[in-house]
Amino acid sequence: EAGVAQSPRYKIIEKRQSVAFWCNPISGHATLYWYQQILGQGPKLLIQFQNNGVVDDSQLPKDRFSAERLKGVDSTLKIQPAKLEDSAVYLCASSFLGAAAQYFGPGTRLLVL
Amino acid sequence: GQQLNQSPQSMFIQEGEDVSMNCTSSSIFNTWLWYKQDPGEGPVLLIALYKAGELTSNGRLTAQFGITRKDSFLNISASIPSDVGIYFCAGLYMDSNYQLIWGAGTKLIIKP
Repeated sequence: EAGVAQSPRYKIIEKRQSVAFWCNPISGHATLYWYQQILGQGPKLLIQFQNNGVVDDSQLPKDRFSAERLKGVDSTLKIQPAKLEDSAVYLCASSFLGAAAQYFGPGTRLLVL
Repeated sequence: GQQLNQSPQSMFIQEGEDVSMNCTSSSIFNTWLWYKQDPGEGPVLLIALYKAGELTSNGRLTAQFGITRKDSFLNISASIPSDVGIYFCAGLYMDSNYQLIWGAGTKLIIKP
């Protein structure tokens, strides 16, 4: 069974530029999560989707971050404009509806210069 | 908000030693999950615990859901070099909308 796919794996941009990340969850997983992980810390939830609807985006900095999951399958996370403090690993995870266990992709490592 | 205290923060061990780490909270959790993260990769689910007192093994790994539902333990027996990495606990409490609360991680380092 294919795992969670993410791309790109690495991205280097300058501050004030825009960047987008893509995630394809495990087939059949209705719930999709985007996390931000700063070096040395645990993942921090940015947004949670159930099918194509947003369940929680309370920790998403909405002035610069946006995310969508239009067809209830894959998802994109965008940052516009990026700041230095956005340098982090962006992890996508998915789970079956109502399940606690989340399965993670390899992450996208973002460096903002 | 909810918090998980994970300890130790890091461990230096010899190959072949047993390892223990734990997570505690002041709140009651319904589910405990243990993940391992290797450098440059996403967290990988090791063990999931769903009932108080539950003891579950996955190879050399054993995890327990504390009877008070406020803690969980992970043990690794006879450590090997590939056990190196960061271990995270994550918990789910009632009415959390399936949002995990994460510990800060335990970094396992094997002394050469």
